[in-house]
Amino acid sequence: KQEVTQIPAALSVPEGENLVLNCSFTDSAIYNLQWFRQDPGKGLTSLLLIQSSQREQTSGRLNASLDKSSGRSTLYIAASQPGDSATYLCAVWGNGNKLVFGAGTILRVKS
Amino acid sequence: ETGVTQSPTHLIKTRGQQVTLRCSSQSGHNTVSWYQQALGQGPQFIFQYYREEENGRGNFPPRFSGLQFPNYSSELNVNALELDDSALYLCASSLEGTSGNTQYFGPGTRLTVL
Repeated sequence: KQEVTQIPAALSVPEGENLVLNCSFTDSAIYNLQWFRQDPGKGLTSLLLIQSSQREQTSGRLNASLDKSSGRSTLYIAASQPGDSATYLCAVWGNGNKLVFGAGTILRVKS
Repeated sequence: ETGVTQSPTHLIKTRGQQVTLRCSSQSGHNTVSWYQQALGQGPQFIFQYYREEENGRGNFPPRFSGLQFPNYSSELNVNALELDDSALYLCASSLEGTSGNTQYFGPGTRLTVL
């Protein structure tokens, strides 16, 4: 059974800092990994999708990496801003036509 | 291109009642998945519908059922509501029922069971 773990559970940083969010998964047989952002009480916004054959994806200040063999992914956020404050969720797509999510990292960027 | 929409936004029910939640998929998408997100947790997969057929189911009891219509919109029905059913219900649409395609999520329906 696939399990996804995200570390840390919560993170508070001053504005302008670069930061890394971590995601690990137990079954390396995945098709892709997706990072999402969720604002309080809202739905999910897709940030980046990495196919299993890829090593990383970049979008603006965000960079996500994938090491399938070790079951790890990182989301790097450069020059953080208060507007980046949200919960960040990592999810993997394996067998069973479904995404398996971690519990998320709550990020607070202080101005 | 319209995004994924869900209705209602919020809903309050009492234990034992039945509820129907609705989802309209993004234009051109024929696959809808439903997830339950309890407070402080990641979403949990309920089931997926692809071209009007169930195409995968998570670890939820049969009182959670669904439907997909010819226009690819979808309903989630929950019978005999329990207190633990209180959660944010999210639907996501994608192109084709296969893996590898980005899932686009709606804003969710917040269900409270008293």
